[in-house]
Amino acid sequence: AQKVTQAQTEISVVEKEDVTLDCVYETRDTTYYLFWYKQPPSGELVFLIRRNSFDEQNEISGRYSWNFQKSTSSFNFTITASQVVDSAVYFCALSPSFMDSNYQLIWGAGTKLIIKP
Amino acid sequence: DADVTQTPRNRITKTGKRIMLECSQTKGHDRMYWYRQDPGLGLRLIYYSFDVKDINKGEISDGYSVSRQAQAKFSLSLESAIPNQTALYFCATSDLQGNGADTQYFGPGTRLTVL
Repeated sequence: AQKVTQAQTEISVVEKEDVTLDCVYETRDTTYYLFWYKQPPSGELVFLIRRNSFDEQNEISGRYSWNFQKSTSSFNFTITASQVVDSAVYFCALSPSFMDSNYQLIWGAGTKLIIKP
Repeated sequence: DADVTQTPRNRITKTGKRIMLECSQTKGHDRMYWYRQDPGLGLRLIYYSFDVKDINKGEISDGYSVSRQAQAKFSLSLESAIPNQTALYFCATSDLQGNGADTQYFGPGTRLTVL
């Protein structure tokens, strides 16, 4: 089965706290891609990162970092020193390379992150 | 200017009406997609097109149709709108990379309400 699970429906933290959003995936493919998207209250979907299954190096971009662990099938997203502007719904998605899938994205249900001032 | 645009941004219509949502892109991508988003359900794929002559059904195509008028334009139609089609609709594009490497870029969304 191809599946993405974001078990945290909603997280609320106070500004400046660090917060980690969990993403667990299932796939039978050996080659695949993982994505994170942000949906702020204004509604648009913003691409954040793409990671392929052969690259397990952690990625850091400013206050954002991503931890990819194939051993646990997880691709977690951490925001350091959170800010109110980080408040959004965050989606994790999987793109399997399996031909039958036609490379369709498989989406998690999203985690709503609330940053309180 | 935005790379992926959707018109209208908001629409209220009545049950039984035909409605068309339009998507245009200036990214030069071959692949285009239509999704709907319902609260708590994430995104679900309605239709996708890998080029002008290629149209494919997604997970929830019933009640919808699409037209790929050109590489840059992909429209979604609801032939006879019903209230449970009330949702946020997104158009997306991606560049053919193969092997699952495509990154999808989204338009701003169209909020559709069917009364």
